[in-house]
Amino acid sequence: SQTIHQWPATLVQPVGSPLSLECTVEGTSNPNLYWYRQAAGRGLQLLFYSVGIGQISSEVPQNLSASRPQDRQFILSSKKLLLSDSGFYLCAWTGTNTGELFFGEGSRLTVL
Amino acid sequence: QQQVKQSPQSLIVQKGGISIINCAYENTAFDYFPWYQQFPGKGPALLIAIRPDVSEKKEGRFTISFNKSAKQFSLHIMDSQPGDSATYFCAASKGAARQLTFGSGTQLTVLP
Repeated sequence: SQTIHQWPATLVQPVGSPLSLECTVEGTSNPNLYWYRQAAGRGLQLLFYSVGIGQISSEVPQNLSASRPQDRQFILSSKKLLLSDSGFYLCAWTGTNTGELFFGEGSRLTVL
Repeated sequence: QQQVKQSPQSLIVQKGGISIINCAYENTAFDYFPWYQQFPGKGPALLIAIRPDVSEKKEGRFTISFNKSAKQFSLHIMDSQPGDSATYFCAASKGAARQLTFGSGTQLTVLP
């Protein structure tokens, strides 16, 4: 069966520090991968999606970037965090043959 | 054209009652309508989904009603239980879920 892992689960970082959130998917190949952000009490905002290695589409211009170095690995990064980067970050995947979107457990980022 | 409008923002229901959450969309090209359930601190989980070739889909206590002409769909939770207390998101997409557009979410509280 397919599983998705995100880490770290919780992160507290000072303003101006770098960020790296990692996501891996197991049990499938060539998934579509996504990064979403959820601000407190708010909806889901699509940040990036990827249909293949090295292919990244950005939905919202911002302080963040994404990379896909391997087929089942998706990384969300920032060189210098802002207070407004605080939120709940969710990685998700879909198979190429299905429309169902599956989310990871999320990474809660607090920027102080 | 890409918006999905969800209401109400919050909902309080007594145990055993019916919870109803509504969504409306604008893009007539949307052909996949899932509902997600999210518990605090967790990633959203796919609850039930419908395609526009049917007007209703039922899975256990959860039912999606779909009105193509009105461009509306709703989630009905029958015999609501305290364990159903969560945030519910509707979504819509054209084709595969890579471009899901989410509603703003409804926080459901079921009182014991």
